[in-house]
Amino acid sequence: GDSVTQMEGPVTLSEEAFLTINCTYTATGYPSLFWYVQYPGEGLQLLLKATKADDKGSNKGFEATYRKETTSFHLEKGSVQVSDSAVYFCALGDSGAGSYQLTFGKGTKLSVIP
Amino acid sequence: NAGVTQTPKFRVLKTGQSMTLLCAQDMNHEYMYWYRQDPGMGLRLIHYSVGEGTTAKGEVPDGYNVSRLKKQNFLLGLESAAPSQTSVYFCASTFLPGGASEQYFGPGTRLTVT
Repeated sequence: GDSVTQMEGPVTLSEEAFLTINCTYTATGYPSLFWYVQYPGEGLQLLLKATKADDKGSNKGFEATYRKETTSFHLEKGSVQVSDSAVYFCALGDSGAGSYQLTFGKGTKLSVIP
Repeated sequence: NAGVTQTPKFRVLKTGQSMTLLCAQDMNHEYMYWYRQDPGMGLRLIHYSVGEGTTAKGEVPDGYNVSRLKKQNFLLGLESAAPSQTSVYFCASTFLPGGASEQYFGPGTRLTVT
């Protein structure tokens, strides 16, 4: 079945550092890929998504490119801020008939220190 | 526009007690989901619904029951709570299933079973 593997955290960075959180997936079809973010004490919210190979999703300075050849969807940000401290989840969803669920990675906790 | 709301926000139960968690959405979404979040485990799907009057089992359904009597509400029941059900529970809803559209999450219910 479908699965998502994220780099384990926690990740601690200084403000303005470069961020990469790795995400790889296995899927039988042609899934859409998502990054969700969970701020402390809140539910998850969509950060960005990509629906087909070579698409780049971007939002709030974060980017991720759908790489079919390496089955990856790594999250990057050039300069992190303290306000980016959160847990980040990579997820995939198959749009085929009978596919109702998202498959989530285990999450990567990011802490950004001033 | 409240989005997805969950009631209650916190609850402490004794082993063997029962309770119902309520999820409500005002976006007219067909698809609704219940997840649990545990440290190091990411999000795991408990049950989901593809429309009013329907329910289906997810990855970890044992010990839980659900009902979707109205389109906007999705209830999660614990008939006889166990300490293993201590977790944070999230409800989500979406307009299209699988990877076709994003899921919108509620703020979560933190449940402790002693």
